[in-house]
Amino acid sequence: DGGITQSPKYLFRKEGQNVTLSCEQNLNHDAMYWYRQDPGQGLRLIYYSQIVNDFQKGDIAEGYSVSREKKESFPLTVTSAQKNPTAFYLCASSIETGWNQPQHFGDGTRLSIL
Amino acid sequence: ELKVEQNPLFLSMQEGKNYTIYCNYSTTSDRLYWYRQDPGKSLESLFVLLSNGAVKQEGRLMASLDTKARLSTLHITAAVHDLSATYFCAVAPGLSNYQLIWGAGTKLIIKP
Repeated sequence: DGGITQSPKYLFRKEGQNVTLSCEQNLNHDAMYWYRQDPGQGLRLIYYSQIVNDFQKGDIAEGYSVSREKKESFPLTVTSAQKNPTAFYLCASSIETGWNQPQHFGDGTRLSIL
Repeated sequence: ELKVEQNPLFLSMQEGKNYTIYCNYSTTSDRLYWYRQDPGKSLESLFVLLSNGAVKQEGRLMASLDTKARLSTLHITAAVHDLSATYFCAVAPGLSNYQLIWGAGTKLIIKP
């Protein structure tokens, strides 16, 4: 079955540490996204990528970095510069030209501070 | 700045009742998406509304879009416990589908 796989499901970060969240999709989608969700709030876009080797900042990119070396993969690094990283992180993908298609989501990674 | 407002943010209702969730947005858009999220889980796409007057129905849920009023509604008919979830609307501003603007979500609890 095609889908989006995020790992790990739970992640703990120590002070000053960078951590990387994995996102892999086998839907053959061109576009991929990272969102942050805080309790009681909607999703906020961190980064998105329309094609391989290209990505754009979203609304809250500070303290985060991404790479898009392969179509299937869009890892997110939460750097030590992100002072409040505790949140639920969701990865999504969509057909690049499918403006009438919804985004498809992974199951999320819950990041907490130790 | 595009804003998307949902109301109510929390709704507790009895099984068998009807209710409507509202999604207002602040600028021109003709594409609106509804998603469902169960606690601690991913988001599931429910409806894609692409034009003024669009209406889509799936089971007990029906969504509509009025682009002139900048309003979408999600109507629940004869609610059942399994529909308990948080419902989000998201709006695509302009021609891009990449930077959706999300509402805060409506947490719906349906009591048996």
